[in-house]
Amino acid sequence: EAGVTQFPSHSVIEKGQTVTLRCDPISGHDNLYWYRRVMGKEIKFLLHFVKESKQDESGMPNNRFLAERTGGTYSTLKVQPAELEDSGVYFCASSQERTSGSHEQYFGPGTRLTVT
Amino acid sequence: AQKVTQAQTEISVVEKEDVTLDCVYETRDTTYYLFWYKQPPSGELVFLIRRNSFDEQNEISGRYSWNFQKSTSSFNFTITASQVVDSAVYFCALTLNDYKLSFGAGTTVTVRA
Repeated sequence: EAGVTQFPSHSVIEKGQTVTLRCDPISGHDNLYWYRRVMGKEIKFLLHFVKESKQDESGMPNNRFLAERTGGTYSTLKVQPAELEDSGVYFCASSQERTSGSHEQYFGPGTRLTVT
Repeated sequence: AQKVTQAQTEISVVEKEDVTLDCVYETRDTTYYLFWYKQPPSGELVFLIRRNSFDEQNEISGRYSWNFQKSTSSFNFTITASQVVDSAVYFCALTLNDYKLSFGAGTTVTVRA
């Protein structure tokens, strides 16, 4: 079974440009999460999808960030326009529904975003 | 609000030494879940363990063991007889609802041959 995949693995863009990150969760996982780790600090929660609906987006830093999960499968996270402080590693994770008994969030390898 | 503190930024040991990673958490809720994740050089976060707040039993899995003490709000992780493959960043995390994880800053463990 394929794990959580993220694309690209690394992106370097200039301040003011737009970048779109993609996450493909494990097949059948209704829950999808985005997290971010900036400059060696804590990994911080950004948002949580249940299928195509945003369940919790309390961690989204500002309106330059837009996450979508059309059709409840893969998700994209767009940053527009990018700022220097957006640099970091963006992780995606997925998990099954609670009723299945599994609570584990499976993480992808992350996308390293560098804004210059 | 919840908070997880991993006071140790980096730990370096020689192979076969034991290493203990500290994790202290803060929450006002009585129901919560604690996790440890490992981030090897490949980058992905690998799940190691999940404990709920009502289960204070210590757990051992191979060379890994965990000590959960509610009295001190700690959930420490010990690697016994460390190996080079244990070199990684280890994260402690807490969640109230099993969805949104709050992570500590991570501890980088380097095991030297």
